[in-house]
Amino acid sequence: DTAVSQTPKYLVTQMGNDKSIKCEQNLGHDTMYWYKQDSKKFLKIMFSYNNKELIINETVPNRFSPKSPDKAHLNLHINSLELGDSAVYFCASTQMRQGASPLHFGNGTRLTVT
Amino acid sequence: DAKTTQPNSMESNEEEPVHLPCNHSTISGTDYIHWYRQLPSQGPEYVIHGLTSNVNNRMASLAIAEDRKSSTLILHRATLRDAAVYYCILTPNTGANSKLTFGKGITLSVRP
Repeated sequence: DTAVSQTPKYLVTQMGNDKSIKCEQNLGHDTMYWYKQDSKKFLKIMFSYNNKELIINETVPNRFSPKSPDKAHLNLHINSLELGDSAVYFCASTQMRQGASPLHFGNGTRLTVT
Repeated sequence: DAKTTQPNSMESNEEEPVHLPCNHSTISGTDYIHWYRQLPSQGPEYVIHGLTSNVNNRMASLAIAEDRKSSTLILHRATLRDAAVYYCILTPNTGANSKLTFGKGITLSVRP
């Protein structure tokens, strides 16, 4: 029943490893996002996809590579993990990329890099 | 992007109304005013949005100033479950919804 689901919920890994976070939405939305919430609780947009097409890349290092196999899924792959990548990553979706469309967020993936 | 200003925190008593203010003096004519809230260990949750007129839904009411330079989120009867960080955000209606930019928000505490 979960509208936007992310896996895993927790991810602990060592520096230098490569890891992926998966996101799926069952709302029929055509736009999906990745947000990062750091230790100071600021939420920052990372990527936006519309119908599998990358729309926004907010100056994110190229170690981060989003992939959208279809419009219901948006995965995030991170290469060569660094300590500063530790954060909570949220996936979100919306029906249309317009100002009136609310975003639906998942419950986050807490990534800890040691 | 137009910026919003909110107090850092606010306290309220359970069962009483809560008014959460937001200033957005640089709002443009096509910006929507959105409110989201984030409960502990959860993702942000949409609360309400509006453009010019006041809005009501099952969660809250949104009162928008006539000049649109400020707005107030109203929780009519606060419950303990309403304790959260509330974000006031402006979103342009230009297809750039992905530019939803979150500030610090206001942390609402609810006393039993």
